Amino acid sequence: EDKVVQSPLSLVVHEGDTVTLNCSYEVTNFRSLLWYKQEKKAPTFLFMLTSSGIEKKSGRLSSILDKKELFSILNITATQTGDSAVYLCAVAFTSGTYKYIFGTGTRLKVLA
Amino acid sequence: SQTIHQWPATLVQPVGSPLSLECTVEGTSNPNLYWYRQAAGRGLQLLFYSVGIGQISSEVPQNLSASRPQDRQFILSSKKLLLSDSGFYLCAWEAGQGRNEKLFFGSGTQLSVL
Repeated sequence: EDKVVQSPLSLVVHEGDTVTLNCSYEVTNFRSLLWYKQEKKAPTFLFMLTSSGIEKKSGRLSSILDKKELFSILNITATQTGDSAVYLCAVAFTSGTYKYIFGTGTRLKVLA
Repeated sequence: SQTIHQWPATLVQPVGSPLSLECTVEGTSNPNLYWYRQAAGRGLQLLFYSVGIGQISSEVPQNLSASRPQDRQFILSSKKLLLSDSGFYLCAWEAGQGRNEKLFFGSGTQLSVL
């Protein structure tokens, strides 16, 4: 069965802390792994990863994929209260057509 | 640039009433379209996807249905809502035709069935 598992489910940190969010997956015909940030409504895109070992970086956020061990991590350094959100990991794969399955998300709360 | 519109933003419906949620995409042609549902505190569950007009695939058996009457229009429907249909519904699109793109989401519909 195709699945995506995220950990931890929730996390509370203080401003300035560094956090690491985990995503492991089991799918056939892997295409890419994506990270999204969901604050109140629609998830917004953060990163798409297709190759192992190549770090994607955007400001204080970075992510890397390990296709051998089937996982990805999302790092956030020097966290701010605006980073508080649910972070979703999704895996795109081919099964007849192109599909995306999502993990349950990690709820991050950053305290001032 | 591409945009996706989804409405209504919120909906409160009695059990047994019909449902119609609409989603349209602008600025692209022949997109793959998706309907997801997110229960409170849960991840996104894929309900339906479509690769073209009239082509609908269902992921989860339920009392919901989907239709794609035009290339960039995707509709989620029900004849009779159940309490368990409550949730946050998201429409999404990606560029089709084999391109390895990402999923873009509409703003979502919060559905409460009472």
